Amino acid sequence: DAGVTQSPTHLIKTRGQQVTLRCSPKSGHDTVSWYQQALGQGPQFIFQYYEEEERQRGNFPDRFSGHQFPNYSSELNVNALLLGDSALYLCASSLVWRYTGELFFGEGSRLTVL
Amino acid sequence: GENVEQHPSTLSVQEGDSAVIKCTYSDSASNYFPWYKQELGKRPQLIIDIRSNVGEKKDQRIAVTLNKTAKHFSLHITETQPEDSAVYFCAALRAAGNMLTFGGGTRLMVKP
Repeated sequence: DAGVTQSPTHLIKTRGQQVTLRCSPKSGHDTVSWYQQALGQGPQFIFQYYEEEERQRGNFPDRFSGHQFPNYSSELNVNALLLGDSALYLCASSLVWRYTGELFFGEGSRLTVL
Repeated sequence: GENVEQHPSTLSVQEGDSAVIKCTYSDSASNYFPWYKQELGKRPQLIIDIRSNVGEKKDQRIAVTLNKTAKHFSLHITETQPEDSAVYFCAALRAAGNMLTFGGGTRLMVKP
């Protein structure tokens, strides 16, 4: 049973560029959430996708956008990158209908903006 | 929205001693409180969780307590081992939405 998989694992971009990160949820899960974890801090909620729609959003600007596909996989897009966007981006999957709260995290995509 | 505060930010203990990490939350509607362990360069891994209808939960050397009235919960690790060294995060979740709010983390160092 595959867990949550993310790609790429590491990437380097320059200010102003755009980036797309990808996530495949744990088998059987239908909800994907994205979190940003800056160095030395706890993860911060970006947004959550269920049934191909954004259901909840944290305090992040519109430069952060996403998408969920019919197979439940998801993408996170960040436009006009800033130095402050450098972080570990974590994808987490869950089953929304259970409302158990348990999230399964992927290994993350470490983004460095120069 | 929810706000979770975690203390201490760093904790150093001798192998075999106990470690306690405390968190407070602000939203009385929160009803699920997980604890994650994150090793350097790795993903957060769930180590124990507790729901608001329970006051205490134990799993071998790890236990979590919850005080709903005071809105705080704690992680207790007994007989610490060097492999317990990591960053620990508490989190809180409201009934709807599966959106976790994390604390700032505690770096636990267990000295052999």
